[in-house]
Amino acid sequence: DAMVIQNPRYQVTQFGKPVTLSCSQTLNHNVMYWYQQKSSQAPKLLFHYYDKDFNNEADTPDNFQSRRPNTSFCFLDIRSPGLGDAAMYLCATSRDRGSEQYFGPGTRLTVT
Amino acid sequence: SQQGEEDPQALSIQEGENATMNCSYKTSINNLQWYRQNSGRGLVHLILIRSNEREKHSGRLRVTLDTSKKSSSLLITASRAADTASYFCATKETGANNLFFGTGTRLTVIP
Repeated sequence: DAMVIQNPRYQVTQFGKPVTLSCSQTLNHNVMYWYQQKSSQAPKLLFHYYDKDFNNEADTPDNFQSRRPNTSFCFLDIRSPGLGDAAMYLCATSRDRGSEQYFGPGTRLTVT
Repeated sequence: SQQGEEDPQALSIQEGENATMNCSYKTSINNLQWYRQNSGRGLVHLILIRSNEREKHSGRLRVTLDTSKKSSSLLITASRAADTASYFCATKETGANNLFFGTGTRLTVIP
């Protein structure tokens, strides 16, 4: 089945220790997104790729970076995680910007 | 903020009853989408309604869109315990590249 896969599902990291979250898709979609979602809140868009074109949201902290080495994979790098970065991180894909999005199951990040 | 507002924030009903959730937004849109999120999981796309459409159905779901009032509603008929989840509206605003998600409605269906 075509899908969006996120690994790991749960990640624990130490304060200040870099961490990378991964996302892969078998849908061959052009657009890949990273969202941050804190408890009982709406998903907050961090950035997205349209093909290789990277688009950063204005309020995304510099601490967050992303890489998309090919169509199928996208990575979220948090350079120096703080306690406030503990959240669920959701990857999503869509065929085009503004069309329906397909979400992965998310990675729950804990910062100790 | 471009975020939409959803109403109510939380809704608790008995199994078999209908559930109605509302979404309001601020600017002109190309489309509006509804998503469901089970606790601790990713979002699942439910239905997309375009700005030139007024009503759309999918199984037990009925979505309406009133662009003059900048609002939409999601009706779930004959609810089931498995419908317990958070429901988010998301708008594709004219000229924007991405979706803006609303604050969500937490629905609890009591068996």
